[in-house]
Amino acid sequence: GDSVTQMEGPVTLSEEAFLTINCTYTATGYPSLFWYVQYPGEGLQLLLKATKADDKGSNKGFEATYRKETTSFHLEKGSVQVSDSAVYFCARGAGGTSYGKLTFGQGTILTVHP
Amino acid sequence: DGGITQSPKYLFRKEGQNVTLSCEQNLNHDAMYWYRQDPGQGLRLIYYSQIVNDFQKGDIAEGYSVSREKKESFPLTVTSAQKNPTAFYLCASSIPGQRNTEAFFGQGTRLTVV
Repeated sequence: GDSVTQMEGPVTLSEEAFLTINCTYTATGYPSLFWYVQYPGEGLQLLLKATKADDKGSNKGFEATYRKETTSFHLEKGSVQVSDSAVYFCARGAGGTSYGKLTFGQGTILTVHP
Repeated sequence: DGGITQSPKYLFRKEGQNVTLSCEQNLNHDAMYWYRQDPGQGLRLIYYSQIVNDFQKGDIAEGYSVSREKKESFPLTVTSAQKNPTAFYLCASSIPGQRNTEAFFGQGTRLTVV
């Protein structure tokens, strides 16, 4: 079945460091791919998305490129801030009429220190 | 403002009791979802509904029940048959049938069995 694998965390960085969180997905069909962010005690917010191969999603300095050849959707940010501390989830959509039905990775906890 | 409202934010239940979590949306979305979040496991799909009066089991439906009598509402009942109900529950909605659609999430309900 569909699955998403994220790099294990937690990830701890100093402010202004470069961030990469790896994500790979099963290649069944042509899924849309998403990164969601969750701040403590809250629901999930969409960070960025990409719907086809070679698409680049970007938002708030975060970027991720849909790589079909490596079935990857790695999240990157050039210079993290303390306010980026959160849990990050990679997700793939289902196909057919169930595009909003998502399969999530296990989440990566990011902590950024001043 | 349009969005998804989950209530209550915190819920305590005694063992052997059923409890119902509320989810209401005013986004005019046809599809709604319930996910369960446990530490280190990401989100897992419990039930989803693509249209009023219809719903489907997700990956971990045992011990849960839902109804979808109105487009705006998708309540989740955690029954006494659910062996380990303590978790964070997230409701989401989306527009079905569109490839680039994402899921919009509520703020979650934290259920604790005491």
